[in-house]
Amino acid sequence: QKEVEQNSGPLSVPEGAIASLNCTYSDRGSQSFFWYRQYSGKSPELIMFIYSNGDKEDGRFTAQLNKASQYVSLLIRDSQPSDSATYLCAVNMPNAGNNRKLIWGLGTSLAVNP
Amino acid sequence: GAGVSQSPRYKVAKRGQDVALRCDPISGHVSLFWYQQALGQGPEFLTYFQNEAQLDKSGLPSDRFFAERPEGSVSTLKIQRTQQEDSAVYLCASTLADTQYFGPGTRLTVL
Repeated sequence: QKEVEQNSGPLSVPEGAIASLNCTYSDRGSQSFFWYRQYSGKSPELIMFIYSNGDKEDGRFTAQLNKASQYVSLLIRDSQPSDSATYLCAVNMPNAGNNRKLIWGLGTSLAVNP
Repeated sequence: GAGVSQSPRYKVAKRGQDVALRCDPISGHVSLFWYQQALGQGPEFLTYFQNEAQLDKSGLPSDRFFAERPEGSVSTLKIQRTQQEDSAVYLCASTLADTQYFGPGTRLTVL
């Protein structure tokens, strides 16, 4: 089992729909969870971070964390073609000996169709 | 404000050449990470600095890879005797609290 798993996609949604991106992780001690967006040929850029169980909303984006299920998700409401990108989930792994080290998923490719 | 910068943006090397990749972090950011990202993959951790101290180098794939940050600011990733499998994008990130901010990356192609 990979330490951070994401469905590679591609996930295809129509413009205006809700896109749901999922991520599971293996280390029960993980405390910090990040979603990054990466456009083709560009570097990752931070969308949101979440530390506590529950939902965290920022504009059209909502991160959801369930530590008991070791699951973090990102919802994108009113999806726009400009949201088409790869979404990377990153999780800290304190049991790996370095609390600041992030383990990254392979990313989910999202395509928003006009 | 200035973000993380990296140079060169693109580097083509012949197999066996040595290369040096530079990262200028955001001013005041204590922690700095280097990652390797292959096409279609997520970033893979290489090494981590806190100020000038290299606290974790467990991700460096071989002893041909070496990183330094002598004054706790600019960092250099050096790859000796490059091989074709070293071809990738090398990303640098500096951190504020737990959040990592990435530079544009250096795309290394080894022929």
